[in-house]
Amino acid sequence: AQTVTQSQPEMSVQEAETVTLSCTYDTSESDYYLFWYKQPPSRQMILVIRQEAYKQQNATENRFSVNFQKAAKSFSLKISDSQLGDAAMYFCAYRTSYYNQGGKLIFGQGTELSVKP
Amino acid sequence: DAGITQSPRHKVTETGTPVTLRCHQTENHRYMYWYRQDPGHGLRLIHYSYGVKDTDKGEVSDGYSVSRSKTEDFLLTLESATSSQTSVYFCAISESPDLGETQYFGPGTRLLVL
Repeated sequence: AQTVTQSQPEMSVQEAETVTLSCTYDTSESDYYLFWYKQPPSRQMILVIRQEAYKQQNATENRFSVNFQKAAKSFSLKISDSQLGDAAMYFCAYRTSYYNQGGKLIFGQGTELSVKP
Repeated sequence: DAGITQSPRHKVTETGTPVTLRCHQTENHRYMYWYRQDPGHGLRLIHYSYGVKDTDKGEVSDGYSVSRSKTEDFLLTLESATSSQTSVYFCAISESPDLGETQYFGPGTRLLVL
């Protein structure tokens, strides 16, 4: 069974600085997808970025980028030029194959990010 | 933003009463999911649907049932609510999981079972 682990329950960053959130996962599949979701106090789950496992190039979305290390099963999220609006809970998620419970998402426990002005 | 609504957004109920949560989408996506979110667990899958009248269990399905009579609606029912079902419930939709399509989430329903 696949598992996702986020070992940092809380992180803090100064506004305009860079922060990296860690995520590791375990799987025997070769093709899969990884995601980072942001959950602000409103509780809405917002997609931040996604990575296809077959792509070696790391995904980037504006100030957000990932460091995907397939062999190490690591998928960290880097936030550059942190803004106050980045403060939220961040979840790493692994998407299973469609024949495994409809391609469900398996989530890590989350990392609470605070941004200091 | 994906067109997903959940109702009710908040509910307080008593142990032993039935509760139905509704998820409605306007995206015509085939796959729909119900997750629950509890502290220390992230989100966990309860049930999912891969088409009208086609549903299956997730990893924490005990005490829950679902129904999907129309593409746009996916109902989650707690037949007899228990305090352990106090949680935040999220609906998600996806066009096609075998293409790795992103799941988009509704705003969530906070349920308190007294």
